[in-house]
Amino acid sequence: DAGVIQSPRHEVTEMGQEVTLRCKPISGHNSLFWYRQTMMRGLELLIYFNNNVPIDDSGMPEDRFSAKMPNASFSTLKIQPSEPRDSAVYFCASSLLRTENEQFFGPGTRLTVL
Amino acid sequence: QKEVEQDPGPLSVPEGAIVSLNCTYSNSAFQYFMWYRQYSRKGPELLMYTYSSGNKEDGRFTAQVDKSSKYISLFIRDSQPSDSATYLCAMSGGSNYQLIWGAGTKLIIKP
Repeated sequence: DAGVIQSPRHEVTEMGQEVTLRCKPISGHNSLFWYRQTMMRGLELLIYFNNNVPIDDSGMPEDRFSAKMPNASFSTLKIQPSEPRDSAVYFCASSLLRTENEQFFGPGTRLTVL
Repeated sequence: QKEVEQDPGPLSVPEGAIVSLNCTYSNSAFQYFMWYRQYSRKGPELLMYTYSSGNKEDGRFTAQVDKSSKYISLFIRDSQPSDSATYLCAMSGGSNYQLIWGAGTKLIIKP
């Protein structure tokens, strides 16, 4: 069982550049979550997909952030343009629809924006 | 005031000690209570899951929920250095996907 796969694991970029984070959920899971974790704010839910459809994007900080899920096995989170305050660890998690409290997290992408 | 309060620690105890980790919350609508463990530079992993009040035991771990006091606890018996991690509490009400997270308590077990 591969678990949730995220890429890249680390990303260093300069302010103003576009950043794309990728996620492959666990096969058979139909709920997908993108989180951001910082020391100051802890874990924050950015967006929630159910069966590939965005259900709740109220946590997306601003229009610079966008997320897509074109199929059940792939999702992206894009930041354009990136800013230093976007530096954080971004996690993707997936779950079964009937047990969404039981979320399985990927290893995260550590993003540094200079 | 945050919906979920959790002392960030660090909490440092000797190997073999009983560890008590706690969270308090303010929303009486919470019904599902979870403990996640996060090792350094890893994603959180679900450790314990409890619905409503009561205790749940799994090996060396016991989760306790007291809804009347709005207080949840995680006890670790016979603590091991491998238990050193950050422990996050999380809870939810009717909309199960929306977990409300504590800040996490960093636990250090000294050999």
